[in-house]
Amino acid sequence: SAVISQKPSRDICQRGTSLTIQCQVDSQVTMMFWYRQQPGQSLTLIATANQGSEATYESGFVIDKFPISRPNLTFSTLTVSNMSPEDSSIYLCSVAGDPGNEQFFGPGTRLTVL
Amino acid sequence: QKEVEQDPGPLSVPEGAIVSLNCTYSNSAFQYFMWYRQYSRKGPELLMYTYSSGNKEDGRFTAQVDKSSKYISLFIRDSQPSDSATYLCAMRYSGGYNKLIFGAGTRLAVHP
Repeated sequence: SAVISQKPSRDICQRGTSLTIQCQVDSQVTMMFWYRQQPGQSLTLIATANQGSEATYESGFVIDKFPISRPNLTFSTLTVSNMSPEDSSIYLCSVAGDPGNEQFFGPGTRLTVL
Repeated sequence: QKEVEQDPGPLSVPEGAIVSLNCTYSNSAFQYFMWYRQYSRKGPELLMYTYSSGNKEDGRFTAQVDKSSKYISLFIRDSQPSDSATYLCAMRYSGGYNKLIFGAGTRLAVHP
């Protein structure tokens, strides 16, 4: 499976600021996704990062709050904008070789918003 | 009602025990079923990936899917302290649909 890295691994941010999380894969992949894992809750898909076009967001998530970029087949960023304490969570990117294939996850970014 | 239900535990067992982890789901359209293992402060690691009903074995791990009961299980034989982690079940629809629906995860502790 691909080797996936995320930066930063953790951060503590102030309310009202924004944080950009990077996801890097060591090989080209068709599909990249962003998930959120809130304390004590299951992972929830935020959006599918599409290369060369706008991301596809799940219900309850909007581009203004979670803008996503995917400039190529190995890299994506997720920005958490205008943060509030409710955004404190682990943010995970995942990848799949093709649509419908197994998904593999990165190590996650642990975000705390004060 | 959540689409996927999973007992959060914690589940504590002695080393060498057989562990049974389970999830139930409500949507009969789910066709692919997965188990992930997540160590503390790490990302989920894919353990098992199965399609439709039946059993799949990989070393000490066996995944079982019973679609008629909407029930999936992961069995761990000869459990080891290194198996101590949170186990997440996940599932998705058929075709190229990618969204995974996760259970809340079961925390497992295997003590020597």
